[in-house]
Amino acid sequence: GAVVSQHPSRVICKSGTSVKIECRSLDFQATTMFWYRQFPKKSLMLMATSNEGSKATYEQGVEKDKFLINHASLTLSTLTVTSAHPEDSSFYICSATRTGQSLTFGQGTRLTVV
Amino acid sequence: GEDVEQSLFLSVREGDSSVINCTYTDSSSTYLYWYKQEPGAGLQLLTYIFSNMDMKQDQRLTVLLNKKDKHLSLRIADTQTGDSAIYFCADSTGNTGKLIFGQGTTLQVKP
Repeated sequence: GAVVSQHPSRVICKSGTSVKIECRSLDFQATTMFWYRQFPKKSLMLMATSNEGSKATYEQGVEKDKFLINHASLTLSTLTVTSAHPEDSSFYICSATRTGQSLTFGQGTRLTVV
Repeated sequence: GEDVEQSLFLSVREGDSSVINCTYTDSSSTYLYWYKQEPGAGLQLLTYIFSNMDMKQDQRLTVLLNKKDKHLSLRIADTQTGDSAIYFCADSTGNTGKLIFGQGTTLQVKP
């Protein structure tokens, strides 16, 4: 079945630094990838929709300069949290799909900014 | 905008049935999904139902959809301790793949 790999699974970074999270579709070409953020004991909030070769579409309230999304190929999308602050600490999850296929989620990345 | 609501917590005894409820507001939903999330992990698709269906059964899982009331439920028969997790319902419209999630229901299964 479809597999999506997210890396790293956990990352701790210092305040002010940038962190890159990768989302790869291992056995299919993902035309669309989504990035979600999950706060503790809360639902998943869609941050942005990423289509290969085009700019990501950000949801209202999500800072595009803060959360840089690149979908350079049909198997890879990256989320870069720039100038991270403690309030950016969260669980970030990606999902990937292609036409006619249901979403497949990555394992998630726990980001802790200290 | 679209909204999906779930109760936050459910506790059952092992062997009992669990019923997790969800309501949604989007009248143009095409698919409705149930996902399971274990601690520190991503989301696992459990099952989904197309909006023109009212019931779907898949082994221990039964999904009921009342489109008139915009109410979705997930029944887990013979609940096991391994079923302890957070369960999210989600709805999507069209073929965009964009999902709107409920808050998640934490299912606690007591031995």
